[in-house]
Amino acid sequence: AQSVSQHNHHVILSEAASLELGCNYSYGGTVNLFWYVQYPGQHLQLLLKYFSGDPLVKGIKGFEAEFIKSKFSFNLRKPSVQWSDTAEYFCAVNGGTYKYIFGTGTRLKVLA
Amino acid sequence: DAGVTQSPTHLIKTRGQHVTLRCSPISGHKSVSWYQQVLGQGPQFIFQYYEKEERGRGNFPDRFSARQFPNYSSELNVNALLLGDSALYLCASSLGLYTGELFFGEGSRLTVL
Repeated sequence: AQSVSQHNHHVILSEAASLELGCNYSYGGTVNLFWYVQYPGQHLQLLLKYFSGDPLVKGIKGFEAEFIKSKFSFNLRKPSVQWSDTAEYFCAVNGGTYKYIFGTGTRLKVLA
Repeated sequence: DAGVTQSPTHLIKTRGQHVTLRCSPISGHKSVSWYQQVLGQGPQFIFQYYEKEERGRGNFPDRFSARQFPNYSSELNVNALLLGDSALYLCASSLGLYTGELFFGEGSRLTVL
């Protein structure tokens, strides 16, 4: 079955700490991969996406993610988090069809 | 530019009732998708409409239906509401049928008592 796993459900970091959020997927065939973020009181918005090419993709606000095909992973990273990064982060996969499959999300709290 | 707009933002219904949720996509976007987000879970795909036709359906019962209008806005209808239908219902629009990025609205939070 197609699925996306986010192993970290809650993460608490201090400002300036490095961040890595795990995302693994189970999906046959070619995939498009996404990270969405939901800031408190706001709608889901795209952080970054991978369709093809360089497996290291850069998104907004200093976030990046690396697609490792052999590990079925698309982990999100940021070298130094800020208080404003407090949000819920969702990994999603799409196989070039109408359906996007989302993970359960990771709630990140950054302490000032 | 206006983003995806959804109405109502919050509503409370009782079991057995019917609900209609509305969505206006970003101007120029022809595809609208509906997702259900239960507390503590990620969004789950319900429907996609493109050019007024249903192009995909998730694993939801027939009590869930939707349609898309000529102006590309959309409605999601849920009949015979159950307690388990309580959730945030998200509408997302995209330019085309299989284009990459979904643009989400803020959602309609449905509580079923």
